[in-house]
Amino acid sequence: GQNIDQPTEMTATEGAIVQINCTYQTSGFNGLFWYQQHAGEAPTFLSYNVLDGLEEKGRFSSFLSRSKGYSYLLLKELQMKDSASYLCAVTSNDYKLSFGAGTTVTVRA
Amino acid sequence: DSGVTQTPKHLITATGQRVTLRCSPRSGDLSVYWYQQSLDQGLQFLIQYYNGEERAKGNILERFSAQQFPDLHSELNLSSLELGDSALYFCASSPIAGGGETQYFGPGTRLLVL
Repeated sequence: GQNIDQPTEMTATEGAIVQINCTYQTSGFNGLFWYQQHAGEAPTFLSYNVLDGLEEKGRFSSFLSRSKGYSYLLLKELQMKDSASYLCAVTSNDYKLSFGAGTTVTVRA
Repeated sequence: DSGVTQTPKHLITATGQRVTLRCSPRSGDLSVYWYQQSLDQGLQFLIQYYNGEERAKGNILERFSAQQFPDLHSELNLSSLELGDSALYFCASSPIAGGGETQYFGPGTRLLVL
């Protein structure tokens, strides 16, 4: 199975940068996803990493190190609407997607 | 809007009852996944179907069952309901069944068992 750890909560100021770390242990690693979820709503896809390195997509970037079992999601130029839960999820060759418990990010004015 | 639809949006029922949740995947997607999200447990993978066949199983209780029909919509059946089954149930879909595919989530069904 998978063991996925991420911080429970983070707080940052509007316009700032926040980095959400995720560590995982898995067999048959087949990629790592980041999803955003606003309270009571569906998770929405943010990024996918399967190779080591940084993937940049607008204000959001995601990094992966397979050898270290580590990823981070970087949110730049924070906006109030970025207040949400950010879910790290690992997929393996058995087709299952396992989610971490999520990191609740609160953006303050 | 992800293109995945789920009905009903809300469901209130009593312990011991049985309910059916329905999911229609995005057009062209062959895989359907079911997840349970409760306050204290996060998103838990339940089961996956691909083109009508069960592909992967997660932490799904024996009281729960699912199927995928020829038109690719899926139903999740929950029986002998208990208070602890109260949760958000999400369906997701993806084009095929590869482990590296992005899954697109429906809006969820909020189940309350009283």
